[in-house]
Amino acid sequence: SQQGEEDPQALSIQEGENATMNCSYKTSINNLQWYRQNSGRGLVHLILIRSNEREKHSGRLRVTLDTSKKSSSLLITASRAADTASYFCATARNQAGTALIFGKGTTLSVSS
Amino acid sequence: DTAVSQTPKYLVTQMGNDKSIKCEQNLGHDTMYWYKQDSKKFLKIMFSYNNKELIINETVPNRFSPKSPDKAHLNLHINSLELGDSAVYFCASSQDGTSGPYNEQFFGPGTRLTVL
Repeated sequence: SQQGEEDPQALSIQEGENATMNCSYKTSINNLQWYRQNSGRGLVHLILIRSNEREKHSGRLRVTLDTSKKSSSLLITASRAADTASYFCATARNQAGTALIFGKGTTLSVSS
Repeated sequence: DTAVSQTPKYLVTQMGNDKSIKCEQNLGHDTMYWYKQDSKKFLKIMFSYNNKELIINETVPNRFSPKSPDKAHLNLHINSLELGDSAVYFCASSQDGTSGPYNEQFFGPGTRLTVL
């Protein structure tokens, strides 16, 4: 299975601190995407990084991709209480008829 | 305006019943998906449709039948509901074609199905 694995499963930090989540996967990919899910809500797309990219930024988010190690990291800087959510990585293979494969997620709690 | 909407939001029913969940997207996307999220938050693809054509059909019991009357709608019908069907079902859409999931996906708010 190509299922991604996030690490850690749960993370608790204080407001203002940085949060780093990691994702590992098993097969070659076309792209890797990060999603956020607030409790009881649907998933919201955060950022997509393609296999030929190594780093991407979006506001307070920084994503890296290391295809040699089959891993990615999501860094949230200067975290806020509103960042409290579950974060999922999802990988896409370079193959028609395939779907995004989601990891098990990291639950982030940011306390004020 | 809601981009991807699902109805109902909550569905409580007895084992053996048949139920449907509706999904609509107003983004003009060609591809729509159904996902199942279990109690441990694990999210798994069930089906995807591109322009009303079935693209992905994962190992889902044939009690689950998706129907796409047009490319803006993808409904999920479930026959003979079982306890193990209890989960949150998410609809999503994207601008992807049939070549693969190469763009972001937009998710609906989910339908929490509880089978008693």
